Amino acid sequence: AQRVTQPEKLLSVFKGAPVELKCNYSYSGSPELFWYVQYSRQRLQLLLRHISRESIKGFTADLNKGETSFHLKKPFAQEEDSAMYYCALRVTGGGNKLTFGTGTQLKVEL
Amino acid sequence: NAGVTQTPKFQVLKTGQSMTLQCAQDMNHEYMSWYRQDPGMGLRLIHYSVGAGITDQGEVPNGYNVSRSTTEDFPLRLLSAAPSQTSVYFCASSYSSGTNEKLFFGSGTQLSVL
Repeated sequence: AQRVTQPEKLLSVFKGAPVELKCNYSYSGSPELFWYVQYSRQRLQLLLRHISRESIKGFTADLNKGETSFHLKKPFAQEEDSAMYYCALRVTGGGNKLTFGTGTQLKVEL
Repeated sequence: NAGVTQTPKFQVLKTGQSMTLQCAQDMNHEYMSWYRQDPGMGLRLIHYSVGAGITDQGEVPNGYNVSRSTTEDFPLRLLSAAPSQTSVYFCASSYSSGTNEKLFFGSGTQLSVL
């Protein structure tokens, strides 16, 4: 069965410092990976997806099939980046089913 | 355009009671799903639907029923509530079931079963 692992429950960084939120996955098929974010008192929303190779709000994530990782990175953390971040893997074969990691709470301190 | 609307926002039940969590979307999305969010466990898929009249089980379907009689609505029924069903429930939809589709989430229902 597929699995998504986010090893850090909480990551605390200072404003302006680099951020890396780790995500590892196990899946026998061809992976589709996503990062979702939940800001305080807001809905869970898509941040970015690996297939788009986009940078959103300064965040990037590269799929590394060799290391089965999809880490989320940002060179300079901002206070507004404080949120809960979930890595998710789409399971192919029926539906838009996502398997989520347990999430990492990012806290950016001044 | 309200997106995905969930009601109620909060609910307290006694063990054995039944209730229905409502989910509606006004984006003409084909795909709808229900997740539960528990501390330390992330979000887990309960049931999903790829279109009106079609539903299927997710990872944790026991104790829950769903139906999809219209494109817009996807209610989640708790048949006989148990304390283990205390959780935050999220409804999510997407335009289709295809690749690279993003999910739109509702604001969640916080359920406590005493």
